[in-house]
Amino acid sequence: GQNIDQPTEMTATEGAIVQINCTYQTSGFNGLFWYQQHAGEAPTFLSYNVLDGLEEKGRFSSFLSRSKGYSYLLLKELQMKDSASYLCAVRDTNDYKLSFGAGTTVTVRA
Amino acid sequence: DADVTQTPRNRITKTGKRIMLECSQTKGHDRMYWYRQDPGLGLRLIYYSFDVKDINKGEISDGYSVSRQAQAKFSLSLESAIPNQTALYFCATSVGGGAVTDTQYFGPGTRLTVL
Repeated sequence: GQNIDQPTEMTATEGAIVQINCTYQTSGFNGLFWYQQHAGEAPTFLSYNVLDGLEEKGRFSSFLSRSKGYSYLLLKELQMKDSASYLCAVRDTNDYKLSFGAGTTVTVRA
Repeated sequence: DADVTQTPRNRITKTGKRIMLECSQTKGHDRMYWYRQDPGLGLRLIYYSFDVKDINKGEISDGYSVSRQAQAKFSLSLESAIPNQTALYFCATSVGGGAVTDTQYFGPGTRLTVL
């Protein structure tokens, strides 16, 4: 199985940058996902990493180091609408199930 | 129109009652999942199904059962609800294959309260 850790809460100012770290331990790795979840709503897919390195998608970037069991999600030019919970999830190579971290609640302040 | 729908969206029930949560999808995906979400615990997998004839327990299946009536429908039942099953329940689907295209897509959720 997987053990996934991410900070509980982060606060940042509108227009700033925030980096959300995620560390994991897994018996079999088949990719790492980041989801965004606004309060009371469904999680929505943000990014996917399976190879080491940085994946950039507009204001959001995600980085993976498989040897370190480490990923981060970088949110640039923060907007108020980015206030949400960000979920790190690891896919198992044996059965392709996802295991989720508890999520990081990001609050963007004016 | 939503690709993954869940009914009901909200439900309040009493301890000991049987309740069914339903999930339907129009994405044509083979794989379907049921999760529950509790504050501070994240999403936890209850059951999953890779096709109509394949049902598997997740990490917290005790107290729950499921039925995959068709490729598009996956129902979750609580045979005798208890208060600690109060949670937000999500259905999700994915196409399968293990690549990035196997991203899971979530329904809007069902908020269940057991009194």
